[in-house]
Amino acid sequence: DGGITQSPKYLFRKEGQNVTLSCEQNLNHDAMYWYRQDPGQGLRLIYYSQIVNDFQKGDIAEGYSVSREKKESFPLTVTSAQKNPTAFYLCASSIHPSDNYGYTFGSGTRLTVV
Amino acid sequence: QKEVEQNSGPLSVPEGAIASLNCTYSDRGSQSFFWYRQYSGKSPELIMSIYSNGDKEDGRFTAQLNKASQYVSLLIRDSQPSDSATYLCAASNGGFQKLVFGTGTRLLVSP
Repeated sequence: DGGITQSPKYLFRKEGQNVTLSCEQNLNHDAMYWYRQDPGQGLRLIYYSQIVNDFQKGDIAEGYSVSREKKESFPLTVTSAQKNPTAFYLCASSIHPSDNYGYTFGSGTRLTVV
Repeated sequence: QKEVEQNSGPLSVPEGAIASLNCTYSDRGSQSFFWYRQYSGKSPELIMSIYSNGDKEDGRFTAQLNKASQYVSLLIRDSQPSDSATYLCAASNGGFQKLVFGTGTRLLVSP
């Protein structure tokens, strides 16, 4: 079955540590996105990518980095510069950046600072 | 700042009733609109999309769009306790499809 796989489901980060969240899709979608969700704040866009080897900052990119070396993969690194990383992270994809079919979401990664 | 506004709720309805969820958007260039359902602790799931003024029905769900009023709604008929979730409204202005999400309305359907 096609879909988006995010791993791990739960992640604990120590202060000053970088962590990487995995996002893999086998839907052959061109565009991929990373969102952060905090209670009562809805989804906020971190980074997005329209094609391989290209990505753009979203509304809250500070303290995060991404890469898009393969069409199927769009990992997100939460760096030590991100001072409040505890949140629910969602990866999504769409067929093409200009299509109108909405996003498909992965199951999410819940990151907690310990 | 392009915004999508929703009442956070909770909206409480009895089982079998019609639930009406509303959303307004600020960008007049928005062309595509989506409703996502999100259960607690889970990721959003697309349930409806609408692109033209008027109504679009899919089973118990009806999406309504009024571009002149910049207003989108979702009606859920014969509401079930399993419909209890947060419903997110999203809008896109076409071109590069970067969705803008509302903060969601929490729906509670009581047996």
